[in-house]
Amino acid sequence: GEDVEQSLFLSVREGDSSVINCTYTDSSSTYLYWYKQEPGAGLQLLTYIFSNMDMKQDQRLTVLLNKKDKHLSLRIADTQTGDSAIYFCAEGSNTGKLIFGQGTTLQVKP
Amino acid sequence: DAGVTQSPTHLIKTRGQQVTLRCSPKSGHDTVSWYQQALGQGPQFIFQYYEEEERQRGNFPDRFSGHQFPNYSSELNVNALLLGDSALYLCASSFRQGVQPQHFGDGTRLSIL
Repeated sequence: GEDVEQSLFLSVREGDSSVINCTYTDSSSTYLYWYKQEPGAGLQLLTYIFSNMDMKQDQRLTVLLNKKDKHLSLRIADTQTGDSAIYFCAEGSNTGKLIFGQGTTLQVKP
Repeated sequence: DAGVTQSPTHLIKTRGQQVTLRCSPKSGHDTVSWYQQALGQGPQFIFQYYEEEERQRGNFPDRFSGHQFPNYSSELNVNALLLGDSALYLCASSFRQGVQPQHFGDGTRLSIL
């Protein structure tokens, strides 16, 4: 079946790196996504990676994909207080349906 | 470049009533998907509309129905509302179903009393 799992909470100090982890089950996934949700808002697309890639870097964000273990991670360098939010991992097929994890709440302490 | 827009932002209904939520996709997108996000949970896929037809459906009852118009905008209709339908309803748009990543609107917060 389709399932995406994430740890529920992560706390870091401002300026440190944050690493949010995710595991998924559907080996036919075409894309893997990271979305950010701030209180009372919708989902903001942060970054995504094709399933045939191992790594993608976009400014402070680095995505690592281990296809063998079906493990995805998001690293945020130099974490700021404005990065405090809920981060969702999602897997998607080329038909567009997304399966989301439960979300990881990132708390950034000054 | 307008992003995904949803209306209304908030809605309060009572059990048994019917509701219609609206979504306009991002410019250049032709596919609309709807998701339900209960408090503290990740979004759950309801259905997807492409070329004015329902293409995929998640595990939601027939009380949930939708429509896509020729201008690619979409409506989500929910009949016979239950308390458990209280949630944030998110619309996402993309191009040709899943060829490009989905972009989300800010959602409609539906409260059932």
